[in-house]
Amino acid sequence: GAVVSQHPSWVICKSGTSVKIECRSLDFQATTMFWYRQFPKQSLMLMATSNEGSKATYEQGVEKDKFLINHASLTLSTLTVTSAHPEDSSFYICSAAPQETQYFGPGTRLLVL
Amino acid sequence: AQKITQTQPGMFVQEKEAVTLDCTYDTSDQSYGLFWYKQPSSGEMIFLIYQGSYDEQNATEGRYSLNFQKARKSANLVISASQLGDSAMYFCAMRDDPNFGNEKLTFGTGTRLTIIP
Repeated sequence: GAVVSQHPSWVICKSGTSVKIECRSLDFQATTMFWYRQFPKQSLMLMATSNEGSKATYEQGVEKDKFLINHASLTLSTLTVTSAHPEDSSFYICSAAPQETQYFGPGTRLLVL
Repeated sequence: AQKITQTQPGMFVQEKEAVTLDCTYDTSDQSYGLFWYKQPSSGEMIFLIYQGSYDEQNATEGRYSLNFQKARKSANLVISASQLGDSAMYFCAMRDDPNFGNEKLTFGTGTRLTIIP
């Protein structure tokens, strides 16, 4: 299947700092990428849809000023968690679809102390 | 609104036996796509199998098959000859348009499958 990478895989930061997570499509171009968040023992919750060259579309209840998304090229989308707090600690995972199937990155575990 | 229901929070199956993971869905759309993903403890989401709403035949991928019953709105995953490496969380998901990848997925709550040696 198609390859989607994420970086970093793990990040630990202090409360109040900002964290940037990158999502790359390695062998295809993606005009749209998706960002999900997953809390322990729960399902994936869609946070936002990242659109190349335009603003991201956020799901209801997701603060767009808190979770900044930039999709500057056809292979890269970034999610920045601004002024992170312990409640932002979670597993963040992105996905993209070369055709009809969405493929996921390996995910990023964020721990905010 | 779309909804995916997975009623089995956990299942224990003997190695080499077949296992069926249940998934029912609710949608008013005529066109949609159904997916199953496997999530091992590492967290990655591994694509297993896909079924389009207009596909007349059940999808199969190696040991995985999707028992698609459109009238009952069910899309159960069948794993034949289970292996220890099949132990993981399994998520059923649905997308509005079966042919357009750039549409968001709606996920079920998942089923934790444990294979017993």
